[in-house]
Amino acid sequence: KQEVTQIPAALSVPEGENLVLNCSFTDSAIYNLQWFRQDPGKGLTSLLLIQSSQREQTSGRLNASLDKSSGRSTLYIAASQPGDSATYLCAVSWNSGGYQKVTFGTGTKLQVIP
Amino acid sequence: DTEVTQTPKHLVMGMTNKKSLKCEQHMGHRAMYWYKQKAKKPPELMFVYSYEKLSINESVPSRFSPECPNSSLLNLHLHALQPEDSALYLCASTIGQGTDTQYFGPGTRLTVL
Repeated sequence: KQEVTQIPAALSVPEGENLVLNCSFTDSAIYNLQWFRQDPGKGLTSLLLIQSSQREQTSGRLNASLDKSSGRSTLYIAASQPGDSATYLCAVSWNSGGYQKVTFGTGTKLQVIP
Repeated sequence: DTEVTQTPKHLVMGMTNKKSLKCEQHMGHRAMYWYKQKAKKPPELMFVYSYEKLSINESVPSRFSPECPNSSLLNLHLHALQPEDSALYLCASTIGQGTDTQYFGPGTRLTVL
């Protein structure tokens, strides 16, 4: 069974700081890992997708890395802004008995203080 | 168009009611997903349809009945729900099953009285 954990559970930083969110998973046989943000009571917005064969992906101020062998991914946010305040979720797509399943991490709630 | 739409946005129902949630995408995606998300918890996978066939049912109670009438539409039929089924129900789609970016709808907030 795939278990996905995110650390820290909550994070509060002043505006302008660079920060790192962590995601770890127990089964390295994954197809891909995706990072999302979720605003309160809303759906999920995809930020970055890293295929299992890739090491990192970048989009604007966001950079996500993947170390499949150690079961870890990090999301780096540069020059944080109040608008970045949200819950960040990682999701792992993996093989279970020949079927592809998706398991979400526990989430990191980020608050960026002006 | 990278949009997944869900209706209704909010739904309140009694335990004896029958209702349906609807999800639609026009991106040509062939895999569609239902997730359930309780407050302050991550989404949990319920069902996956691939090419309009049910490929994954995560041991979901039979009071939840999914349906995929065509490649653009996914329904979730609800009957005899319990108050603990109150949650945000999210729909997502991918080009194929599992290897691509998931696009999520805004969700339906369900309250069971």
